[in-house]
Amino acid sequence: NAGVTQTPKFQVLKTGQSMTLQCAQDMNHNSMYWYRQDPGMGLRLIYYSASEGTTDKGEVPNGYNVSRLNKREFSLRLESAAPSQTSVYFCASSPGTSSVYEQYFGPGTRLTVT
Amino acid sequence: SQQGEEDPQALSIQEGENATMNCSYKTSINNLQWYRQNSGRGLVHLILIRSNEREKHSGRLRVTLDTSKKSSSLLITASRAADTASYFCATLNAGGTSYGKLTFGQGTILTVHP
Repeated sequence: NAGVTQTPKFQVLKTGQSMTLQCAQDMNHNSMYWYRQDPGMGLRLIYYSASEGTTDKGEVPNGYNVSRLNKREFSLRLESAAPSQTSVYFCASSPGTSSVYEQYFGPGTRLTVT
Repeated sequence: SQQGEEDPQALSIQEGENATMNCSYKTSINNLQWYRQNSGRGLVHLILIRSNEREKHSGRLRVTLDTSKKSSSLLITASRAADTASYFCATLNAGGTSYGKLTFGQGTILTVHP
């Protein structure tokens, strides 16, 4: 099993450009999450999908949209990139939202917006 | 907002020594989890402790939880150079619709010198 995969690994955008970060998991997990990690800030939740067909905002959703394409895939879209969105983005999944579950993380996408 | 505050921010020790990291949080929780992140990589789950548990062990890891003080500690015994990484605590808040949403601390950078 590949676990959680993310593409691309690196991306450089100009201010105002758009892009979609892709995430897929092969563990048949119900829940998926998008985080961003900034220096000294830990991870902050952008959006999550508790189950296929549902999405909801996390702590820092402004400037982002998400799509839960199917059970395996959860994409994150930046419609008009801003320098403040320069960060490392992590996708994660878990079997469900119960308190017994941990999350499994992808390797991350390093995004720079100039 | 960051739920967890970790202490120390950085820890440097020699191989064979024990490493202790602390995490404090603000609200009632369902569980507290510890994750490790190697440089440039995604997070890896280490251990989960539920709010009704006080101590948990996994190999060289020992986690304690004191809900009255809203704090947790992670002890790594007989550390190895391969333990060099950043360590994050994450809490799953109690009550309401938490939907598996974790809130991460800022992390402790552990360096183990050979």
